[in-house]
Amino acid sequence: GAGVSQSPSNKVTEKGKDVELRCDPISGHTALYWYRQSLGQGLEFLIYFQGNSAPDKSGLPSDRFSAERTGGSVSTLTIQRTQQEDSAVYLCASSLGPAGTAYEQYFGPGTRLTVT
Amino acid sequence: AQKITQTQPGMFVQEKEAVTLDCTYDTSDPSYGLFWYKQPSSGEMIFLIYQGSYDQQNATEGRYSLNFQKARKSANLVISASQLGDSAMYFCAMRGGPGGGADGLTFGKGTHLIIQP
Repeated sequence: GAGVSQSPSNKVTEKGKDVELRCDPISGHTALYWYRQSLGQGLEFLIYFQGNSAPDKSGLPSDRFSAERTGGSVSTLTIQRTQQEDSAVYLCASSLGPAGTAYEQYFGPGTRLTVT
Repeated sequence: AQKITQTQPGMFVQEKEAVTLDCTYDTSDPSYGLFWYKQPSSGEMIFLIYQGSYDQQNATEGRYSLNFQKARKSANLVISASQLGDSAMYFCAMRGGPGGGADGLTFGKGTHLIIQP
């Protein structure tokens, strides 16, 4: 079946612009996660959605970052007023069961964001 | 807070040899899980193996096994009979228990494994 898909695969934007990154999880997966991977910081958890529950936003680095998940499926990560330190690969993952369980997370191919 | 430590930034191994990738962890949560992921140069994260903190036996998946030593807080990945296609970054990761407040995975810095012919 189809895996996690993300778009765009690459995004170059100017400092100060807003960007939207999209994630389409595996059908039937109730949990969705966003991570960021950068050379300096490694892999960092950003936000978690489980079903219709309020998201866990504990990993978002600043209030310029926000995310939503519509209809329990597709998710959009928005970064406002982008800064150069936002340059990274943004990875989306989904899993069949909620956080804190044995269900593995399936990752998408990522969106490489470059802020110039 | 949870922490994962991978002390080997890079490793060179001869093809067909077994390789052990080190991972130690720190958590105060009695219920937790440990994952290993592989990330080839193409960038995708590939799930390899999972070990739950209450599992009595070490996890195995084909050529992958997890040497889980709970008292030492160690969860090393063992790859038997390494192949050229095993060359990649390998990440050890931890999740907390249900309701533990740590919903995302905590990742180590990774080990870059290179298999030599």
